[in-house]
Amino acid sequence: DTGVSQDPRHKITKRGQNVTFRCDPISEHNRLYWYRQTLGQGPEFLTYFQNEAQLEKSRLLSDRFSAERPKGSFSTLEIQRTEQGDSAMYLCASSLDWNTEAFFGQGTRLTVV
Amino acid sequence: GQQLNQSPQSMFIQEGEDVSMNCTSSSIFNTWLWYKQDPGEGPVLLIALYKAGELTSNGRLTAQFGITRKDSFLNISASIPSDVGIYFCAGISSGSARQLTFGSGTQLTVLP
Repeated sequence: DTGVSQDPRHKITKRGQNVTFRCDPISEHNRLYWYRQTLGQGPEFLTYFQNEAQLEKSRLLSDRFSAERPKGSFSTLEIQRTEQGDSAMYLCASSLDWNTEAFFGQGTRLTVV
Repeated sequence: GQQLNQSPQSMFIQEGEDVSMNCTSSSIFNTWLWYKQDPGEGPVLLIALYKAGELTSNGRLTAQFGITRKDSFLNISASIPSDVGIYFCAGISSGSARQLTFGSGTQLTVLP
């Protein structure tokens, strides 16, 4: 296992289209986080899973955003009807438990044109 | 929500100099993490701190978990050009919001 993997690395989409990102966490990591990062800012929390349960969602996560983690393994983040303001780096991280080190993937850069 | 105040926002230093940056919060944290991020990449974990007062080193990097559990600092000794990047602190509280909260970052530039 080589760490957290995110796919795709880059995505360009037209406004109004739907996009889906995938995150494969480190094996046996129970917790999985999604963050969004815009230029010059620190990562902003979106949501997290403990195994397959989605335990918390930020107010940043509008109803156009949905995340899943079936079977507690990989996770997907879908954005429906994308807007230009959705352009950002979407980061996934995983940790063994709530109070342990979190390791990040390389991120997915989304550009909405 | 929880907020971390990270300073300085940016630093310009000469190669070989030591660097110090810190984070403070109004909330108590159980864990402090320090990350480095290069352009277009995800944050890379540098140091993790779990106990108040803990001082941990990783090569030329040293970080401390403040006694009050509301602050942490990161020192880099004898800086080199590859230290260039953005450094983020992050904390995990024991409260209901058990997610990782990030500071706003310190942009480090190392001049030859």
